[in-house]
Amino acid sequence: AQSVAQPEDQVNVAEGNPLTVKCTYSVSGNPYLFWYVQYPNRGLQFLLKYITGDNLVKGSYGFEAEFNKSQTSFHLKKPSALVSDSALYFCAVRDFYNQGGKLIFGQGTELSVKP
Amino acid sequence: GAGVSQSPRYKVAKRGQDVALRCDPISGHVSLFWYQQALGQGPEFLTYFQNEAQLDKSGLPSDRFFAERPEGSVSTLKIQRTQQEDSAVYLCASSPSGGAAEQFFGPGTRLTVL
Repeated sequence: AQSVAQPEDQVNVAEGNPLTVKCTYSVSGNPYLFWYVQYPNRGLQFLLKYITGDNLVKGSYGFEAEFNKSQTSFHLKKPSALVSDSALYFCAVRDFYNQGGKLIFGQGTELSVKP
Repeated sequence: GAGVSQSPRYKVAKRGQDVALRCDPISGHVSLFWYQQALGQGPEFLTYFQNEAQLDKSGLPSDRFFAERPEGSVSTLKIQRTQQEDSAVYLCASSPSGGAAEQFFGPGTRLTVL
């Protein structure tokens, strides 16, 4: 079965410092990986995706993610955190064993950026 | 442009009532998904439509849950005889196609069953 894991429930970072939100995956075959962000009382917003090609993927709002096949990881990163980045972050993998390619999500990581 | 919209945003139901949740996907999007997000959890897949055809309903938790998309655009998720364990946020997402395309999510409907 395909799955993703986010080992940290919460990440605390000081504004201006780099941030990393961790994600590991378990899939058969090549993974399609996604990061979404969720602000309170709002739906999920797409940040970036890895399909193939360059292992470093750049996305919205200055976020990037590094695909590492040997470590089966897809960590989300940002060089300099903003207070406004505080939100809930979800890693997801596309499931191609079912029609339509539903997303399988991790449990989420709450990012808190303090001034 | 307009994104995915959902209504109502909040719904309170007494146990045993039927509810209907609406999703308006992005115009032209072929694929439509419903997810259920319990408090403190990641979204979990419920069902998938390609145009008007419901191709995957493997995530529906019981036969009290029913979804339709009769004209291949608007979709309705219906829950009959609601139970307290149905309390969650129900998210709708649409996508222009399958494959590598990302899914665009609506704001969700928060259902509370008393």
